[in-house]
Amino acid sequence: DGGITQSPKYLFRKEGQNVTLSCEQNLNHDAMYWYRQDPGQGLRLIYYSQIVNDFQKGDIAEGYSVSREKKESFPLTVTSAQKNPTAFYLCASSMVWGQGVGNGYTFGSGTRLTVV
Amino acid sequence: AQKVTQAQTEISVVEKEDVTLDCVYETRDTTYYLFWYKQPPSGELVFLIRRNSFDEQNEISGRYSWNFQKSTSSFNFTITASQVVDSAVYFCALIRSGGYQKVTFGTGTKLQVIP
Repeated sequence: DGGITQSPKYLFRKEGQNVTLSCEQNLNHDAMYWYRQDPGQGLRLIYYSQIVNDFQKGDIAEGYSVSREKKESFPLTVTSAQKNPTAFYLCASSMVWGQGVGNGYTFGSGTRLTVV
Repeated sequence: AQKVTQAQTEISVVEKEDVTLDCVYETRDTTYYLFWYKQPPSGELVFLIRRNSFDEQNEISGRYSWNFQKSTSSFNFTITASQVVDSAVYFCALIRSGGYQKVTFGTGTKLQVIP
């Protein structure tokens, strides 16, 4: 079955460390996204990518970095510059809008990052 | 700028009661799409419904129904005869038509159905 796989499900980071969250999709979607979820704040967009080798900052990109070397993969690195990284991170993908309206996004099951 | 407001932070109901989750949106676009997603404890967001701005017909799917009223910019979601499995966080979302699909999410409503 097609879908999005995020790993790991739980991740612990020490202060000052960089960590990378994995996101892989086999839906042949062009666009991929990273969201951060904090209690009571809904989902906030970190980065998005419309096509391979291209990505754009979202609303809260500071302290994060991404790459899009393959259509299927969109890893997110949480750097030591991110002052409050403890959160739930969701990856999503979608067809490019011009190719037809789908059901919005397909989401992964998330990674819960905790700073220890 | 787009905005989605879900004023109800948490709702608790007893099983078999009906419950309505409110969603009010703001947009200057004439063409847009509204969505509802369910986030169970497992974490992933599950698509429930999509409605485009030109289709104000209400929709019913089993115990779920949606009331879209453009005049009041609302897209409310009703669960009839709630069940424990309905316990989750529900998000309303708005996507503008055209361009990349930047989604504006509401802050979510946590629904607890008590047996």
